Amino acid sequence: GQNIDQPTEMTATEGAIVQINCTYQTSGFNGLFWYQQHAGEAPTFLSYNVLDGLEEKGRFSSFLSRSKGYSYLLLKELQMKDSASYLCAVRDSNYQLIWGAGTKLIIKP
Amino acid sequence: DADVTQTPRNRITKTGKRIMLECSQTKGHDRMYWYRQDPGLGLRLIYYSFDVKDINKGEISDGYSVSRQAQAKFSLSLESAIPNQTALYFCATSDLARDTGELFFGEGSRLTVL
Repeated sequence: GQNIDQPTEMTATEGAIVQINCTYQTSGFNGLFWYQQHAGEAPTFLSYNVLDGLEEKGRFSSFLSRSKGYSYLLLKELQMKDSASYLCAVRDSNYQLIWGAGTKLIIKP
Repeated sequence: DADVTQTPRNRITKTGKRIMLECSQTKGHDRMYWYRQDPGLGLRLIYYSFDVKDINKGEISDGYSVSRQAQAKFSLSLESAIPNQTALYFCATSDLARDTGELFFGEGSRLTVL
């Protein structure tokens, strides 16, 4: 079966750095997405990786290793507004998105 | 105004009732999707449509039906609602022309079936 694993919850301190991991087992691979979802709101797109390596976008970076079935989202200089759930999703060989359950990130002052 | 609009935003109904959730978009995207989100689970695809004449079942289509009335409108129906259909429902769109295929979500429709 297809599976996306990510931690259920993480806690970090304002101003610090946090890394949210995602491992996947899917039928084929056509890209990995990270979305941010604030409580009660819609998910919003953060990043897309299709090749191995690091993609940097401001305070957020996303890394992919296709051989290891592994990605992480790195958030730097954490702000209180970064408190949200972070969803990892993989597009499989049929171009269908398989979603992880999300990681709830709690930022403490 | 939101580019992807869902109505109603909240609905409480009773078992056996028919419910329709509506989605409209001003993004001009061809592709539209309906997902449900439950606590502790990833988003699950109910139905998707790549154009007006194309409707496809997702992984959890049983108990649901859809209608693509126009490029901009995609409705989800629950013919006879049951309590385990209580969930947060999202409509989403994507643009075929974009390499990433990222999804743009509506604000969500929270449905409670008593």
